[in-house]
Amino acid sequence: GESVGLHLPTLSVQEGDNSIINCAYSNSASDYFIWYKQESGKGPQFIIDIRSNMDKRQGQRVTVLLNKTVKHLSLQIAATQPGDSAVYFCAEIASGGSYIPTFGRGTSLIVHP
Amino acid sequence: KAGVTQTPRYLIKTRGQQVTLSCSPISGHRSVSWYQQTPGQGLQFLFEYFSETQRNKGNFPGRFSGRQFSNSRSEMNVSTLELGDSALYLCASSRGQAAGELFFGEGSRLTVL
Repeated sequence: GESVGLHLPTLSVQEGDNSIINCAYSNSASDYFIWYKQESGKGPQFIIDIRSNMDKRQGQRVTVLLNKTVKHLSLQIAATQPGDSAVYFCAEIASGGSYIPTFGRGTSLIVHP
Repeated sequence: KAGVTQTPRYLIKTRGQQVTLSCSPISGHRSVSWYQQTPGQGLQFLFEYFSETQRNKGNFPGRFSGRQFSNSRSEMNVSTLELGDSALYLCASSRGQAAGELFFGEGSRLTVL
């Protein structure tokens, strides 16, 4: 999950396992959320998004869950592969405001073959 | 279509110098945002330009500035460099009309000695 410390939280899994990455967001006015994946040496890439009128959204091998009551977001990756190894960021946006996303600190996912 | 292109990819400067970084957004994207990424602070928003106007600004000192040209290409400048400015500077583009996915470049890695 997210951390305010200097070091990224790390999730280490075996290939084929399911992974769950957590994110606690801060702004109760946020109504749009995006998960990004950043591989080493690259910029973040969009994975999946969800709006606050939904509590679950599924993509290819990924599912995002949103719990507005406790301001919590999670990203589930099914059948994790070595290519999923990356840092994952959640971003929150208050679309009634500036549309500028606020990024979480990130979680490092390490997938062992 | 071509992605977001940032130049230079790597550069080394000394304290007190200035640096200019360039970003070419995806064709048709009118919004360009800049982020600073460091291990300690994560992804921090610098500023956003839309149609050649600075539309949003983060909490960085005036040494950090930017501009956008009529073709949507953007530059950011950091003057009087400090050691703490060492970071990965990421540019992201979007259509900019509403909250949505950001498309990131691979970044410019600045090292200040």
